[in-house]
Amino acid sequence: KAGVTQTPRYLIKTRGQQVTLSCSPISGHRSVSWYQQTPGQGLQFLFEYFSETQRNKGNFPGRFSGRQFSNSRSEMNVSTLELGDSALYLCASSLVPGARADTQYFGPGTRLTVL
Amino acid sequence: DQQVKQNSPSLSVQEGRISILNCDYTNSMFDYFLWYKKYPAEGPTFLISISSIKDKNEDGRFTVFLNKSAKHLSLHIVPSQPGDSAVYFCAASIRDDKIIFGKGTRLHILP
Repeated sequence: KAGVTQTPRYLIKTRGQQVTLSCSPISGHRSVSWYQQTPGQGLQFLFEYFSETQRNKGNFPGRFSGRQFSNSRSEMNVSTLELGDSALYLCASSLVPGARADTQYFGPGTRLTVL
Repeated sequence: DQQVKQNSPSLSVQEGRISILNCDYTNSMFDYFLWYKKYPAEGPTFLISISSIKDKNEDGRFTVFLNKSAKHLSLHIVPSQPGDSAVYFCAASIRDDKIIFGKGTRLHILP
């Protein structure tokens, strides 16, 4: 069974640009969550999608957005990039939402560097 | 405000000894706790979890202890092995709400 895949693995952008990251969950998983990992803040929850609907959102500005497609694949978009957006962006999938029903399976992440 | 705190950024333990990783939380509504392990260039992998109705959960070499009155949980690894060297994240959630992670503790297992 293939794991969670994220593309691209590495990305370099400049301030003011926008970026789109992609996540393909494990086959059959319908819930996708996104996290930002930085050295000073650990893993911070961005948002969660289930059945193409945003189910939960973290405390990030509106420049961070996402969506989920009918095949459960998800994308997140960051507009007007800032230096502080440099981070590892992790995607996680699970059969159903929430920590109870299943464990989350994480992808390897996309390392975004903003210059 | 950090609701899940891992106050030790790093920890070094001799191979074969016990590793104890600590985590404190501030929100008494959390009712489910998890530990994840992360190697460099990989995503975190689920290790062990515990519901707030329990005070201990064991899985092989890994045991998680929950002290609700102190709002504290700990992960014990016995015996520690070289492959246990990684970053460990403590996480918590309320019912099926979003999962809140701590900042992580880097564990070094010394030969």
